[in-house]
Amino acid sequence: DTGVSQDPRHKITKRGQNVTFRCDPISEHNRLYWYRQTLGQGPEFLTYFQNEAQLEKSRLLSDRFSAERPKGSFSTLEIQRTEQGDSAMYLCASSLVLGGEQYFGPGTRLTVT
Amino acid sequence: GESVGLHLPTLSVQEGDNSIINCAYSNSASDYFIWYKQESGKGPQFIIDIRSNMDKRQGQRVTVLLNKTVKHLSLQIAATQPGDSAVYFCAEYLQGAQKLVFGQGTRLTINP
Repeated sequence: DTGVSQDPRHKITKRGQNVTFRCDPISEHNRLYWYRQTLGQGPEFLTYFQNEAQLEKSRLLSDRFSAERPKGSFSTLEIQRTEQGDSAMYLCASSLVLGGEQYFGPGTRLTVT
Repeated sequence: GESVGLHLPTLSVQEGDNSIINCAYSNSASDYFIWYKQESGKGPQFIIDIRSNMDKRQGQRVTVLLNKTVKHLSLQIAATQPGDSAVYFCAEYLQGAQKLVFGQGTRLTINP
């Protein structure tokens, strides 16, 4: 499978714990995006990388959230001191060109209890 | 402001009929639009896209229409099949912002 992959697919954690998600984009794609999706809503943009550089962050990305793409390939999204409001589907997407089609992974569903 | 909305949250059609899903967008500077299909528990799947220099684009069983005058986008699915059941999102690409803005989505259900 050469699509975008995400790990884990599901994560249940207790409030206050830290969690980290991983995204592996399509191999030749140098642009990578993170989105968050809550039930019944469309995905909301969180942050964007071009290669290893994080070029844009949403206001939704509080100080508890951090994303990295150290070698310009896979990316990680960490949430520290999780809150119940962080419960959502976290989606990763990649694209080959700026302003082009974004291919999404299956998402990581986070439940904070 | 940034918003992409849909006229109807749910749409129910008979199998074999054509489906039309509508979307309104607010940013007249947006130049690229995508329709995504999302099945339960999966990530959004690309269906078809259109750039602002076009008003119609056709794919396999799908057609996207863009009316820039009224900032309206529609997705037409011909001969709807049970496998078309999903939530459909339109997304607007904000030039310079390097991100897609999604609407709330329309749930399409197919009646046998």
